[in-house]
Amino acid sequence: DAEITQSPRHKITETGRQVTLACHQTWNHNNMFWYRQDLGHGLRLIHYSYGVQDTNKGEVSDGYSVSRSNTEDLPLTLESAASSQTSVYFCASSYREDTEAFFGQGTRLTVV
Amino acid sequence: EDKVVQSPLSLVVHEGDTVTLNCSYEVTNFRSLLWYKQEKKAPTFLFMLTSSGIEKKSGRLSSILDKKELFSILNITATQTGDSAVYLCAVLDATSGTYKYIFGTGTRLKVLA
Repeated sequence: DAEITQSPRHKITETGRQVTLACHQTWNHNNMFWYRQDLGHGLRLIHYSYGVQDTNKGEVSDGYSVSRSNTEDLPLTLESAASSQTSVYFCASSYREDTEAFFGQGTRLTVV
Repeated sequence: EDKVVQSPLSLVVHEGDTVTLNCSYEVTNFRSLLWYKQEKKAPTFLFMLTSSGIEKKSGRLSSILDKKELFSILNITATQTGDSAVYLCAVLDATSGTYKYIFGTGTRLKVLA
């Protein structure tokens, strides 16, 4: 079955380190998204991509970057991890811009 | 500023009760409204609504959209403990040719046996 997977599921890192969270989908969806979920804020968009070599900033993109070198993967990089980036991160994908998004299982990141 | 507001924030009911969850929105270029169920992991898709007044139904869950009053409701009848979850509402906004989902903070539903 097609799916979207994130790795790792849990990670603890130190302030200042670079961290990369992986997202891989097998639906062949063009659109991919990264969200963070924090208590009281719901899901907030970090970055998104509509296809290979396309990346766009979301509402909370500072300190994060993404790259899209193929259809299946959209890795999220924290350039220099900060405690404020402790959160649960969700990757999602959608078939078209106006269809529902499907979510990965999430990565719980703790920055100490 | 675009926003999606859900109410109540949390709700505790007993099995067999009927619940109504609310979602109101102020979004510049509305395309559709989506409902998701989130248990301890990934949000899972429930419904997408694009037209006013047309009810979408799946088993004990149903939802309807009012584009004039800018809100949607999600009804769950004969609730079960397995319905315990956070229910998320999202609006698909299509401003300047980009499509983005704007999420509410969710309603946490707990169903007691």
